[in-house]
Amino acid sequence: DAKTTQPPSMDCAEGRAANLPCNHSTISGNEYVYWYRQIHSQGPQYIIHGLKNNETNEMASLIITEDRKSSTLILPHATLRDTAVYYCIVRVATSGTYKYIFGTGTRLKVLA
Amino acid sequence: SAVISQKPSRDICQRGTSLTIQCQVDSQVTMMFWYRQQPGQSLTLIATANQGSEATYESGFVIDKFPISRPNLTFSTLTVSNMSPEDSSIYLCSVDRVEAAAFFGQGTRLTVV
Repeated sequence: DAKTTQPPSMDCAEGRAANLPCNHSTISGNEYVYWYRQIHSQGPQYIIHGLKNNETNEMASLIITEDRKSSTLILPHATLRDTAVYYCIVRVATSGTYKYIFGTGTRLKVLA
Repeated sequence: SAVISQKPSRDICQRGTSLTIQCQVDSQVTMMFWYRQQPGQSLTLIATANQGSEATYESGFVIDKFPISRPNLTFSTLTVSNMSPEDSSIYLCSVDRVEAAAFFGQGTRLTVV
């Protein structure tokens, strides 16, 4: 079962920051949080990941709470092309490898 | 990142037949993963394929229905056997870079009629 819960949908005005929340209250100490997005049934696209510290790359920022039970993905200046389903995933270690178990995701609509 | 090619990109198949989906990666990877995405739904992990050993299936998926081959470190196939309309989905291949992130192919859109 997925270890994350997300709101089913959100709207954001173009040019504004999009803040997408995720709860992962059962996360274990060595499990990473990953964010992916899926645009119109294409393959999921990697955005960012983190363990404890906040992370930033050219696409987004990831803010993880100190207790690691929740996180927020921030798209600093949303564009229409950021309209997609965003998945927050906890990567689970199992039998010498990892599994990415997808939850239901948040459908973000960026409005002109 | 990794370049992942899936074939076919889409297909329409008759019920009762089987379809084999191919996944080719541009570099050697230890683990490959197969997912199913039913219409309007999230991704569900079918199985994990390690080179040289039997695939490990998730609850609700069985080898007879979804046989997987992993002949080398850059290639895998997933067969959807004895198809029914309920098998109509997008099937996605994924590879994991342990120190980085998982990357996904563009998927195979299967319609069973």
